Amino acid sequence: DIQMTQSPSSLSASVGDRVTITCRASQSISRFLNWYQQRPGQAPNLLIYGASSGVPSRFSGSGSGTDFTLTISSLQPEDFASYYCQQTYSPPYTFGQGTRLQIK
Amino acid sequence: QVQLQESGPGLVKPSETLSLTCAVSGVSIRSYYWSWIRQPPGKGLEWIGNIFYSGRTDDNPSLKSRVSMSVDTSKNQSSLKLSSVTAADTAVYYCARINYDFRNAFDMWGQGTTVTVSS
Repeated sequence: DIQMTQSPSSLSASVGDRVTITCRASQSISRFLNWYQQRPGQAPNLLIYGASSGVPSRFSGSGSGTDFTLTISSLQPEDFASYYCQQTYSPPYTFGQGTRLQIK
Repeated sequence: QVQLQESGPGLVKPSETLSLTCAVSGVSIRSYYWSWIRQPPGKGLEWIGNIFYSGRTDDNPSLKSRVSMSVDTSKNQSSLKLSSVTAADTAVYYCARINYDFRNAFDMWGQGTTVTVSS
């Protein structure tokens, strides 16, 4: 199985800050890396797929192979949530442990 | 628009079988692969398995063959069965659509259904 190691597990930041979350795969997954946002009490929502593709303008993803990052350029109040990476290169489609982004 | 809706008993007794359905609207269930995911209280996401309408499945080895998935094309829904449940199976269960154009990303999710395993 491919293990996904996400860091940090929690992060405190302020509105307007730039933050970066990292995700490392235990073996190469090409660009089969996705990022999800989950607000409390809600289902996860796809943010970034294929390591760097997606809609949200202040969110960006990068990386390939084993090392990936999610960057939020300027935090907005609605961005304080949990974030998960996931590999969909081969089953089992494992998730990272998650990063809880909190208001400082 | 595409919608997914999970349903099933909210309470299951230990050693029994958990049974859930995922009703899909807005798209034919034949057009995509579908996945089941769960999230224990206060914890992260765990992939349970994938299914295609043809019957092809992949499931998580960590669940030790307790998982059974199926698709009913006449009802446009997917089903999940998890046998011999214990308290560790208490979780919110989600179904999701797998989009192969998006490198297999889970692009649509149901709202989730909470299942508690308790006597």
